[in-house]
Amino acid sequence: SAVISQKPSRDICQRGTSLTIQCQVDSQVTMMFWYRQQPGQSLTLIATANQGSEATYESGFVIDKFPISRPNLTFSTLTVSNMSPEDSSIYLCSVRRGGDTGELFFGEGSRLTVL
Amino acid sequence: AQSVTQLGSHVSVSEGALVLLRCNYSSSVPPYLFWYVQYPNQGLQLLLKYTTGATLVKGINGFEAEFKKSETSFHLTKPSAHMSDAAEYFCAVRSMDTGRRALTFGSGTRLQVQP
Repeated sequence: SAVISQKPSRDICQRGTSLTIQCQVDSQVTMMFWYRQQPGQSLTLIATANQGSEATYESGFVIDKFPISRPNLTFSTLTVSNMSPEDSSIYLCSVRRGGDTGELFFGEGSRLTVL
Repeated sequence: AQSVTQLGSHVSVSEGALVLLRCNYSSSVPPYLFWYVQYPNQGLQLLLKYTTGATLVKGINGFEAEFKKSETSFHLTKPSAHMSDAAEYFCAVRSMDTGRRALTFGSGTRLQVQP
């Protein structure tokens, strides 16, 4: 398994502001993934973040809105920019490790409420 | 592209009754399949996974699932529900015919267990 810590665990934000979510993993991982879970809904992949390269964004998500950093193999940040109430969601960091068995391990998530 | 369909957004069972949560997938080649559980205000925890080999896989907390290629299904079962099983359950797929490492999630099924 993997220990994944996210900060903040929750926050209430004002419309138009930006918030950066941090994800710290207890060991080095190649690939990190950021997901969004809107209220009462499933998980949607925002982007894949590999160390040393630009993040790869899924359709519907753009770098200007969700800039991602991946400075090393244990850390990543996701910024939610110019927030609106529609950005109120749980944002989850996940990693794959231990070979190619495929499963992802998830952090506890960061619950954002935008007023 | 792969997709996952979970039939039934809400399932209610009595304590001690059989739990059956349905999952069907769409993929051009046999994928890796996963079930995750999400308890309130927590991240996702892996219940079980199918990659290759035996099609009946056993997971934690007494859950099991069977991969049926002919039916493109991966239904989750538990013989006897416990109150602590009440949670949201997500089926996920990783297609092996692409380089995609992220998982695609179904819409989720909320399991209620009645005393």
